[in-house]
Amino acid sequence: QKEVEQNSGPLSVPEGAIASLNCTYSDRGSQSFFWYRQYSGKSPELIMSIYSNGDKEDGRFTAQLNKASQYVSLLIRDSQPSDSATYLCGPQGGSEKLVFGKGTKLTVNP
Amino acid sequence: EPEVTQTPSHQVTQMGQEVILRCVPISNHLYFYWYRQILGQKVEFLVSFYNNEISEKSEIFDDQFSVERPDGSNFTLKIRSTKLEDSAMYFCASSLQGNPGELFFGEGSRLTVL
Repeated sequence: QKEVEQNSGPLSVPEGAIASLNCTYSDRGSQSFFWYRQYSGKSPELIMSIYSNGDKEDGRFTAQLNKASQYVSLLIRDSQPSDSATYLCGPQGGSEKLVFGKGTKLTVNP
Repeated sequence: EPEVTQTPSHQVTQMGQEVILRCVPISNHLYFYWYRQILGQKVEFLVSFYNNEISEKSEIFDDQFSVERPDGSNFTLKIRSTKLEDSAMYFCASSLQGNPGELFFGEGSRLTVL
């Protein structure tokens, strides 16, 4: 059984702070990693993908990947109330199937 | 902007009835998926579909479930003899060949089984 573990939160940060979301995975064959954001009552939407070890930055978002440690994280800088959502981590292995973790609920307080 | 569309947005059915949920994936996408999310729980993979056949399915996707691409645009999930525990939000998603992990989700179909 391929496992994806995320700190379930809830994680609460003040507006303007850095939010740090973490994810570990058990499938060493995972090659691609995705972060999705899901607002309450809505469908998931892709916000970041990362394929290589290291950091990948996109605006206020930075994804970090360490395949040796089987760890992927998402940093959100200058957090805004509109970032309040559940963030889903999804590693992908040798097939097109994407298996999500339970998600981390983030609340950004004005 | 192209989007995945799902119908119905909400369906209420009696236990034991058959339900068909419909999806129109983005037109140039080649991978199609169904996920479900029971209220308050994680988004769970049900099935993936490529080249007119199931490419992978989870243990949830048993004989009660089936998928079909009856024409060039629609992608359906059929649930036979619904059970109370089938009550959930069902999400359809699609992706391009070459980027299968970059899923585009529809808004979901909420199924309530009474």
